[in-house]
Order: sequence, then C-alpha cells, then structure tokens
Amino acid sequence: ETGVTQSPTHLIKTRGQQVTLRCSSQSGHNTVSWYQQALGQGPQFIFQYYREEENGRGNFPPRFSGLQFPNYSSELNVNALELDDSALYLCASSQLQGREAFFGQGTRLTVV
Amino acid sequence: AQSVTQLDSQVPVFEEAPVELRCNYSSSVSVYLFWYVQYPNQGLQLLLKYLSGSTLVESINGFEAEFNKSQTSFHLRKPSVHISDTAEYFCAVSQRTGANNLFFGTGTRLTVIP
Repeated sequence: ETGVTQSPTHLIKTRGQQVTLRCSSQSGHNTVSWYQQALGQGPQFIFQYYREEENGRGNFPPRFSGLQFPNYSSELNVNALELDDSALYLCASSQLQGREAFFGQGTRLTVV
Repeated sequence: AQSVTQLDSQVPVFEEAPVELRCNYSSSVSVYLFWYVQYPNQGLQLLLKYLSGSTLVESINGFEAEFNKSQTSFHLRKPSVHISDTAEYFCAVSQRTGANNLFFGTGTRLTVIP
C-alpha cells in the first residue's frame, strides 16, 4: 500500500506566473483535499475532489483550481501567483465518508 | 462554521516532564476531533482521533486526549515527554455529517529540553 505522494517537493516561482502541484492519493482512497499552510499557521482548506468533481471549497479565490483524474490523483493549479501564495501546500486523501485523512509531505512554494 | 483555538503557540518542557497542549473548539454542529503532529519539513501525521465512544483516546506513543463536550475542549497530554516529541502539534475538527474537510488550529510548538 503506497502513501500519499506530492510533487515537486520545492519550487520557486515569480509573481504573476502559474503553477501546478501534483498529488497521488493513497491506494483505495477516492477523495483528495488540498490545504494551504502559511508559515507559522495551521493548514487552511482550499478544496476537495471526489470522483473528478469539486466537492467543497474553502475561502480561496477562483485562481486556485483543481483537477482529479480517474485514478484519483489530483492537481492544484494556481494562476497569477502573488507573494502571499508562498506556503506549504498539503494534499490529503481519504474515503469520502471516512474520517481519517492521510497527508503527503507537502510542496513548498516560494513566490518571489 | 467551525473554529479551533490552540491557546499556547509554544510550550517548552524538560525531558521526562508531563505536558498538556490545550485545544478548544467552536461549532454549530457535532464534530469529530483530531490531533495531528508535524515534524520539521514534513507533512501531517495523525496522532489520535475522537469519533465516538469513550471520551479518552490514546495513541501508541503515550499521548492521550480527552473530549469534554461541556467545555468544548480536546486537550492533549503526555505524562513523560521525550526529545523525539519535539514537533508542531495541530488540533483539528471535522463535522460529523456532510463534508469531511478539516478545520485546524494555529498549532502549538512543543520543544523538549534535555
């Protein structure tokens, strides 16, 4: 059984650029959630995907978008990057009705 | 809506001393409760969870937490800490019905002093 894996682990982007982060969910899980963790803060829910459809969204602007693929892996896309988008982005997989989420190691995004 | 308050941002404690990390929550619906631990440059690992049943839950590495509904608290305790317990600890809730996304507190940095 493989765990949740995220890629890349680190990247640096320039303000105004676009970025795509990737997540492979744990085997047997059909739901992927994305969180943003700013430095010194707790993770904030961005959105969740279930069966390739968005299944809930936190208080993030539309330039944060996502995809889920038939194999339940997922992408997080952020357009028009701002300096405040610098954060650790965490992916978590679970069953839709499951109450335990398994997190990846995160992608550290730095916007300069 | 749900919110989680972790009253202490940093807790230094000597090795082998007891520790309590405090967590209070606010919610208009019934919730499940969780503690996650984050080691430097890593993701979150589930430490323990309260879903139902006994209000005292335990982890395999000696931590325990007690759900107190009247005080809306879920404090984390360990009777004797080790150097390896140094990490960031996050309390989180999710609602019992509907979406299962997590609402996190701001975290408590536990530093164990040799």
